[in-house]
Amino acid sequence: DAKTTQPPSMDCAEGRAANLPCNHSTISGNEYVYWYRQIHSQGPQYIIHGLKNNETNEMASLIITEDRKSSTLILPHATLRDTAVYYCIVRDQAGTALIFGKGTTLSVSS
Amino acid sequence: DTGVSQNPRHKITKRGQNVTFRCDPISEHNRLYWYRQTLGQGPEFLTYFQNEAQLEKSRLLSDRFSAERPKGSFSTLEIQRTEQGDSAMYLCASSLANSGVSPLHFGNGTRLTVT
Repeated sequence: DAKTTQPPSMDCAEGRAANLPCNHSTISGNEYVYWYRQIHSQGPQYIIHGLKNNETNEMASLIITEDRKSSTLILPHATLRDTAVYYCIVRDQAGTALIFGKGTTLSVSS
Repeated sequence: DTGVSQNPRHKITKRGQNVTFRCDPISEHNRLYWYRQTLGQGPEFLTYFQNEAQLEKSRLLSDRFSAERPKGSFSTLEIQRTEQGDSAMYLCASSLANSGVSPLHFGNGTRLTVT
């Protein structure tokens, strides 16, 4: 079973920041937080992952709380092409399969 | 890096027929994963390989399903005696096994419709 809880849907205006929350209250010390997104009819796309520290790449920023029980994915300037299902996943360092939940459907509108 | 390639993109078959899907991972990736996704659900893990060894199988992988990765490169997933409940998107992903944190990279899947 997925170890994360995400809201089923969120809306965001184009050009604004999209902040997608994720709760992972049972995360253990060796588990990483991964974010993927899936646009209709495509495979999931890797966005970012982190352990303790905040992370940033060309796609997004990942903010992990100090107690690591929750995180937020930030898309700084959402565009219509960011409309997708976003999945938050925890995975341990042994790193076998990713276990997906239902994710958050983000709708970006103009 | 040409990404993970899956063929065919779409497959329509009649109930009771056998089908086979192919996945070509990113060339230097030694781990390969199969997932299944039905409408409105997240991807469900089926099985994974490290090189040619199949290391883990989900309980979702019934005995009608078999996956192989004979030379540690491409993989095939065969479904025998297909049922309507097998209709789904079948996704393949690959990653490096140098450390457990290497992200999985997915292909765009094979959509199976069983009539």
